[in-house]
Parts: sequence; structure tokens; C-alpha cells
Amino acid sequence: DIQMTQSPSSLSASVGDRVTITCRASQGIRNDLGWYQQKPGKAPKRLIYAASSLQSGVPSRFSGSASGTEFTLTISSLQPEDFATYYCLQHDSYPWTFGQGTKVEIK
Amino acid sequence: EVQLVESGGGLVQPGGSLRLSCAASGFTFSDYYMDWVRQAPGKGLEWIGRTRDKAHSYTTEYAASVKGRFTISRDDSKNSLYLQMNSLKIEDTAVYYCARDLAARGGDYWGQGTLVTVSS
Repeated sequence: DIQMTQSPSSLSASVGDRVTITCRASQGIRNDLGWYQQKPGKAPKRLIYAASSLQSGVPSRFSGSASGTEFTLTISSLQPEDFATYYCLQHDSYPWTFGQGTKVEIK
Repeated sequence: EVQLVESGGGLVQPGGSLRLSCAASGFTFSDYYMDWVRQAPGKGLEWIGRTRDKAHSYTTEYAASVKGRFTISRDDSKNSLYLQMNSLKIEDTAVYYCARDLAARGGDYWGQGTLVTVSS
């Protein structure tokens, strides 16, 4: 199975900060990766698909990038509504696997 | 408007069975692969399986944690997806979500989730 190692597990940041979250795959997954945001009690919402493509309707402050087996989600200027938990999901090989999640909290 | 609505969750004893349903509307259900994802209380997301469409013989994939105990099926005539859960364990306690083809590059659609509690 492909392991997705996500870091950090949590972070504290202020409104306006630039935030970076990373997922490292245990083997190549091409660009078969999505980034999700989840708020308490709600279903996840995809922000990025195919590693770097912005989901329709998602603010442009969210971006994704890839370098080999390392994938990055960047929030260029953190907004109050961005405080949530973020997950990556690889869908290259079965079984698909999520990263462990990154909780973004208010500093 | 695309809608996915799960039902069938509840309290079940260890070793028991439960069948979850996901009613789909607002899109041509038969054209899409469908996924199930779960989330244990206070924990992260876990993909548990998917079903392909008729063109791909409704074949399925499962996570190791549920393989052999859970069965995903669908009824395109009813626009419905199902998750039959047998031999339930305490660690199967979670909110279960259905989602439309998580690998698709189009829209991202999830149900609201249904809670399954496995406890004696």
C-alpha cells in the first residue's frame, strides 16, 4: 500500500500568514492527488485535484504543487474561514490512502 | 443540483450487520463510479472502497481493513449506492460518507454522512 505522510499534524497561524502543508508519498503516484478541507461536523471539500489544479469555486489563495513524491498545499494569505483540517488523498493505486491530516488553528 | 443522502446508520452490536444506503440525485448516477469514505470519532479520513459503473462491470475495490466483511453495490434503476457491513467491529464506529468518483476531475460531491456505532 502507498503511505501518505502528511506534515505537520497541526500548526498555529495568524490571519494573513502564508501556510504550507506537505504530503510525501511512499512511492510514485504521478499527479493523482487531491487536497481536501474539512470543518467540524461537515463533509470534506476538495480544494485541489490532479496535484495542482484548483477546484472550481475555490479561492485562488489555495494552490498545489508537486515535486516527485512530495506534494504541497499552500494558502497564500490565511483567512478566518480557512481554519480547518486539511487532508491529501492519493488515488493512483488501490487501496487509496489519505494523509493523517493537518489541523490549522488560530494563533 | 447534485445531492447525495446517506441513511441506515445506527447502533449495532459487535459481530452484527448493517446496510447503509446513499440516494443520489441531480446527475446521471449510472455514469459514475462511487466511493465510500469513513471517519472514526476524532480521527482522520479513511477511504474504504468504490464501485465502478456498468461499463466496467460494477467491479469494486476495498481497503484491507474492510475487505471480506463489507460489500459495495449499487442499483442504477434506483439511483442508489449501498454498503453492506458484516462482522462489525468496535473499530468500525465512524461517520460513513458516500462520494461521487473522488478521482474525477469534475465536481466534488459528498453526502452529509451517517453515523455507525458498534458497541455492546
